[in-house]
Amino acid sequence: EVQLLESGGGLVQPGGSLRLSCAASGFTFSSCAMTWVRQAPGKGLEWVSTFSSTSGNTYYADSVKGRFTISRDNSENTLYLQVSSLRAEDTAVYYCVKGGRYCSGTSCFYFDYWGQGTLVTVSS
Amino acid sequence: QSALTQPASVSGSPGQSITISCTGTSSDVGHYNYVSWYQQHPGKAPKLMIYDVSNWPSGVSNRFSGSKSGNTASLTISGLQAEDEADYYCSSYTSSSTLVFGTGTKVTVL
Repeated sequence: EVQLLESGGGLVQPGGSLRLSCAASGFTFSSCAMTWVRQAPGKGLEWVSTFSSTSGNTYYADSVKGRFTISRDNSENTLYLQVSSLRAEDTAVYYCVKGGRYCSGTSCFYFDYWGQGTLVTVSS
Repeated sequence: QSALTQPASVSGSPGQSITISCTGTSSDVGHYNYVSWYQQHPGKAPKLMIYDVSNWPSGVSNRFSGSKSGNTASLTISGLQAEDEADYYCSSYTSSSTLVFGTGTKVTVL
C-alpha cells in the first residue's frame, strides 16, 4: 500500500523558513518523480515543484522559484521542500504527491497518490 | 503559468449526466495528452479520477469519463450519485515543463 506522510508544517512569521518532509512507502521511491502541490484555505490546487526521478532535474512554479527548494533522499525514501522567504500568500496545506513526470520509465504526468497534507501558516 | 479555466459550478439531479470543461491553450491541453482529473471532498486530499485524457486508475468507476478536443478537455459523470458531490480539478503538463491545475468546479447533486 502506497503511503505518503508529510510533516514539518506550522506557524511561521513572514520572511521565515521551514523544511517540509514526506516519508514515502509502498513503492519504489527512487524510480518515481515526486511533487509538492499546495492549496490555500478555501482555494484551488496549485502545483509547486517536481523532482524528476530519471534526470534529477527539478521544476518550480514561478510563484516559488528562488524561494523554495525541493530535494529527495532515496536512501531514506523521503522528499523534502525547503520553504524560505515566506509570505502570507504561501499559507496553504502542502501535499506530497507521487508522480509528475516519469515513474519506472513510464510517463506519469499525473498524481496518483496524495498524502494528507501539512499546513503552513505564515503570519505575524 | 495561468490556471486552466473551469466553470465554477455544475449541478445535476441523481441519475443525470453532467460535463465539466477544462480550457487551456495550445501550450498545455492542446499540445499534450497529459490531462488528468481529480475529485476532492471537503477536508480530504484529492483523488485521481482520470489520467492521460481518458484513462481510469484502478478502482475508479467507469461512470467517470474523459475526453479532449483542441484546447479543451472534458470530464463527464454519468448516472450522477450523491457521493459525486465534490470539487473537481483538471491538470495538464505544459510546454514549459511545468504542470498546471484548473480553477476547480464544484459539483452539486440536486
